[in-house]
Amino acid sequence: TQLLEQSPQFLSIQEGENLTVYCNSSSVFSSLQWYRQEPGEGPVLLVTVVTGGEVKKLKRLTFQFGDARKDSSLHITAAQPGDTGLYLCAGAFRNSGYALNFGKGTSLLVTP
Amino acid sequence: KAGVTQTPRYLIKTRGQQVTLSCSPISGHRSVSWYQQTPGQGLQFLFEYFSETQRNKGNFPGRFSGRQFSNSRSEMNVSTLELGDSALYLCASSPGGTSNEKLFFGSGTQLSVL
Repeated sequence: TQLLEQSPQFLSIQEGENLTVYCNSSSVFSSLQWYRQEPGEGPVLLVTVVTGGEVKKLKRLTFQFGDARKDSSLHITAAQPGDTGLYLCAGAFRNSGYALNFGKGTSLLVTP
Repeated sequence: KAGVTQTPRYLIKTRGQQVTLSCSPISGHRSVSWYQQTPGQGLQFLFEYFSETQRNKGNFPGRFSGRQFSNSRSEMNVSTLELGDSALYLCASSPGGTSNEKLFFGSGTQLSVL
């Protein structure tokens, strides 16, 4: 099982601030996904990145995939209380078959 | 289209018992994956089924088993429950089960072992 490291583990910020969450691995991802999970619910997919250097935007969220496909970041601009949740990165590796390996997540709290 | 349905939502068992959890995927989805989520370890992959065949298995003991039926519904079974098995068990489905596909998760079954 390949290890995905997410940082920070916890983040508490005020509404309007910017933040960045990181996901790293020592192995090359064949693809990487970001999910958001709210209490009592299952994770919901935000984005999938496949190509090294790829940048995707989803409203105030910007996702980057590292050139070497070993790392990714999620940047949120002007965070809102509705962004509160657990952000998870999930990587597929060439030898992992059909399994996605998840990081432990970044728990984000945005206060008004 | 109905989402992924997991039953039961909550379950309380005692050590040594066994438990069966059920997952109904989105209609038309042939791949079902199971994950265990705990505060300390995060989401850990249990196994994945596609067209009734287990294609991949995570690093869990043999007490954890699963199966998939011809209608793609899936069950997982945990025998001889231990305190450490207390967790949220999540099921996810996808159309073809490739690694780039979006996983659609259910709300999970919260298992407490006393």
